[in-house]
Amino acid sequence: EDQVTQSPEALRLQEGESSSLNCSYTVSGLRGLFWYRQDPGKGPEFLFTLYSAGEEKEKERLKATLTKKESFLHITAPKPEDSATYLCAVQPYSNAGGTSYGKLTFGQGTILTVHP
Amino acid sequence: DVKVTQSSRYLVKRTGEKVFLECVQDMDHENMFWYRQDPGLGLRLIYFSYDVKMKEKGDIPEGYSVSREKKERFSLILESASTNQTSMYLCASSPSTAPLRQFFGPGTRLTVL
Repeated sequence: EDQVTQSPEALRLQEGESSSLNCSYTVSGLRGLFWYRQDPGKGPEFLFTLYSAGEEKEKERLKATLTKKESFLHITAPKPEDSATYLCAVQPYSNAGGTSYGKLTFGQGTILTVHP
Repeated sequence: DVKVTQSSRYLVKRTGEKVFLECVQDMDHENMFWYRQDPGLGLRLIYFSYDVKMKEKGDIPEGYSVSREKKERFSLILESASTNQTSMYLCASSPSTAPLRQFFGPGTRLTVL
């Protein structure tokens, strides 16, 4: 069974204080690992897709990295507007002759609060 | 930009009522998904559909059914709503070819009294 564990559950930072969010996963065969951002009362918004160990993606103050067992979302010099819940999800390849149809297994998320 | 819309942002229903949640996507995506999101439990997959009239159970299908009569529309049905179905419901769609990124709607906050 695919599993995703995110840590910490909540993270409070001062503006400008860089840090990292962790996503540990187990999956039969990784097709892709996804990072989403979710603001309160809204649907998740796509950030990154990572496909293979060693891959990195960047967007403004965010950088996502991937190893064979975990992914990190690095936040450099965060601002209050970066406050949100960050979700990690894995997508397996099909197995046993079936297809995953693009299903995602999500972690529980990390609630990030950046204080001015 | 891909747009996924959900019929209601907020909904209040009574126990035992039949509830319909509708989702429409405008990008001709083959796959559509229904999730519920609860504090501490994350997003959990209820049902998904990979083609018109095709559906598959997700991780928590009990108490729910779905309908997909047209490619762009995917409905979630609560046959007899119960208080433990109070939750945020999120719809998503994705293409059938890589990258299989899911696009989410804004969510429906359902309260069952």
